[in-house]
Amino acid sequence: KQEVTQIPAALSVPEGENLVLNCSFTDSAIYNLQWFRQDPGKGLTSLLLIQSSQREQTSGRLNASLDKSSGRSTLYIAASQPGDSATYLCAVYSQAGTALIFGKGTTLSVSS
Amino acid sequence: DAGITQSPRYKITETGRQVTLMCHQTWSHSYMFWYRQDLGHGLRLIYYSAAADITDKGEVPDGYVVSRSKTENFPLTLESATRSQTSVYFCASSSWGDEQYFGPGTRLTVT
Repeated sequence: KQEVTQIPAALSVPEGENLVLNCSFTDSAIYNLQWFRQDPGKGLTSLLLIQSSQREQTSGRLNASLDKSSGRSTLYIAASQPGDSATYLCAVYSQAGTALIFGKGTTLSVSS
Repeated sequence: DAGITQSPRYKITETGRQVTLMCHQTWSHSYMFWYRQDLGHGLRLIYYSAAADITDKGEVPDGYVVSRSKTENFPLTLESATRSQTSVYFCASSSWGDEQYFGPGTRLTVT
């Protein structure tokens, strides 16, 4: 059974710092991986989708990488801002299924 | 407006009552999903649908019923609500294997 783990569960950084959020999954046979952002009391906003054939995707200050062989993905946030404060969720599509399997998220707090 | 909407956004109901949560998407995505989000468990799949009239169970389907007579709608019914079904419910849609887009959620409280 696919399991997705995100470490750390919470992270606090000062504004301007570059940071990395980690995601690991137990079964490397994934179809793709998606990173989301969730603000308190809100829905999920898709940030990046990485197809299994890709190594990374970039959107603005965000860069997500994927290493299927090691079962890992990272989300790099450059020059963090207080507006980046939110919970970041990693989710994978397994090849056998059609629904996402989620990690429990990393809650990021960026202080000004 | 294009997107995915859920209604109601907030609902309080009593144990034993039937409750239906609505989900509507305007992208004509073939796949639609229902998840619940609980502290300590994260997001878990309840049911999903690959097309109209095709549905399948997810990780936590007990106590829920779904239907999909039209591509754009995917209602979720709690046949007899229990306190353990107090949660935030999210609907999502996508093309197969593609980026999933989530609705704003329905916060359900069962008293």
